[in-house]
Amino acid sequence: DIQLTQSPSFLSASVGDRVTITCRASQGISRDLAWYQQKPGKAPKLLIYVASTLQSGVPSRFSGSGSGTEFTLTISSLQPEDFATYYCQQLNSYPLTFGGGTKVEIK
Amino acid sequence: EVQLLESGGDLVQPGGSLRVSCAAPGFTFSSYAMSWVRQAPGKGLEWVSGISDSGFTTYYADSVKGRFTISRDNSKNTLYLQMNSLRADDTAVYYCAKAGRTGGYDSWGQGTLVTVSS
Repeated sequence: DIQLTQSPSFLSASVGDRVTITCRASQGISRDLAWYQQKPGKAPKLLIYVASTLQSGVPSRFSGSGSGTEFTLTISSLQPEDFATYYCQQLNSYPLTFGGGTKVEIK
Repeated sequence: EVQLLESGGDLVQPGGSLRVSCAAPGFTFSSYAMSWVRQAPGKGLEWVSGISDSGFTTYYADSVKGRFTISRDNSKNTLYLQMNSLRADDTAVYYCAKAGRTGGYDSWGQGTLVTVSS
C-alpha cells in the first residue's frame, strides 16, 4: 500500500500569511494526487486534483504542485475561512490512501 | 445539482451487521465510480471501499476486506455498504463520495454515524 506523510501535522498562522503543506508518498504516484479541505462537522471539499488543477469554484489563492513522491499545497494569503484541516489523497493505485492531515489554526 | 444522501447509520453490537446506503439524485449516477470514506471520532480520513461505474469492479481497504461489501443499484441511483463482523474500531462517520472525471472525489454526502459498542 502507498503511504502518504503530511507535514506539518499542525500549523499556526495569521491572516495574510503564506502557508505551505507537504505530502510525501512512499513510492512514485505520478501526479495522481488530490487535496481536500475539511471544516469541523462537515464533509471534505475537493480543492485540487491531478496535483495542480484547481477544482471549479476554489479561490485562486490555493495552488498545488509536485509529481512523483513530493507534493505541496500552498495558500498564498491565508483568509479567515481557510482555517481548517487539509488532507492529501493518492489515486494512483488501490487501496486509495489519505495523508494524516494538517490542521491550520489561527495564531 | 449533485446530492449524496447517506442513511442507515446506527448503534450496533460488536460482531453485528449493518447496511448503510447513499442515495444519489441529481446526476447520471451510472456514469461515475463511487467510494466510501470513513472518519473515526477525532481522527483523519480513511478510504474504505470503491466501486466502478458499472459495479463490476470493487476495491477494499485491508482493514475491511472480507467483512464489508460495496455494491450499487444503478436503477435506483443508490450506493450501499454492507458491514459484517463489526468491531469497535469501525466506529466512524461514513461518507459516500463521487469520483470526478479527471481525479479526486468532487462530491460528498453529509455522512452517517455508525457506532459499534455493547
